[in-house]
Amino acid sequence: GAGVSQSPSNKVTEKGKDVELRCDPISGHTALYWYRQSLGQGLEFLIYFQGNSAPDKSGLPSDRFSAERTGGSVSTLTIQRTQQEDSAVYLCASSLAVTGFGYTFGSGTRLTVV
Amino acid sequence: GIQVEQSPPDLILQEGANSTLRCNFSDSVNNLQWFHQNPWGQLINLFYIPSGTKQNGRLSATTVATERYSLLYISSSQTTDSGVYFCAVDSGAGSYQLTFGKGTKLSVIP
Repeated sequence: GAGVSQSPSNKVTEKGKDVELRCDPISGHTALYWYRQSLGQGLEFLIYFQGNSAPDKSGLPSDRFSAERTGGSVSTLTIQRTQQEDSAVYLCASSLAVTGFGYTFGSGTRLTVV
Repeated sequence: GIQVEQSPPDLILQEGANSTLRCNFSDSVNNLQWFHQNPWGQLINLFYIPSGTKQNGRLSATTVATERYSLLYISSSQTTDSGVYFCAVDSGAGSYQLTFGKGTKLSVIP
């Protein structure tokens, strides 16, 4: 597509529920990234996918967080047993290559855990 | 890990004024980017500038990699320039994640 598309744009969930966030990157971008932006922590890296290589999961804050990228395109970030501290804006980005050239962010999913 | 410091944290400008935003980083980098986050939260990539100087309209950026800093210049500021400007770097040490600074919040008043 023309840009990075994320859905839903807003999600309110009850504590303890699982949520899935979706990212559709720019066509042809091989690298895909998830970040989280919260008031107290700024922008934090979560996970990175590049082609068919094993993802870099070093930024995932706990084992309740997981992500997959199917067919080298769409990615889903899953948060299990959500906690209030998971409330944040989850941002997806894609780029042409690992150099980061052409880095483009989506509009984000605002997650609120009540 | 690599540290990224931005200054100033907040900046208020009269429309038409010029400004310089600074980004210092603690280690050598393969990738440095400047982003603008508008008041609606959208992050826009302004420059991919691991070294050298680039210009795009009223904006320009310079990175002096050997001295570990980058500068973003905004000339003839407009109210639409308001938002938060982030510097982000990738050290290239086997990981391609960007480490972001805390940002400079710019408010341009008419």
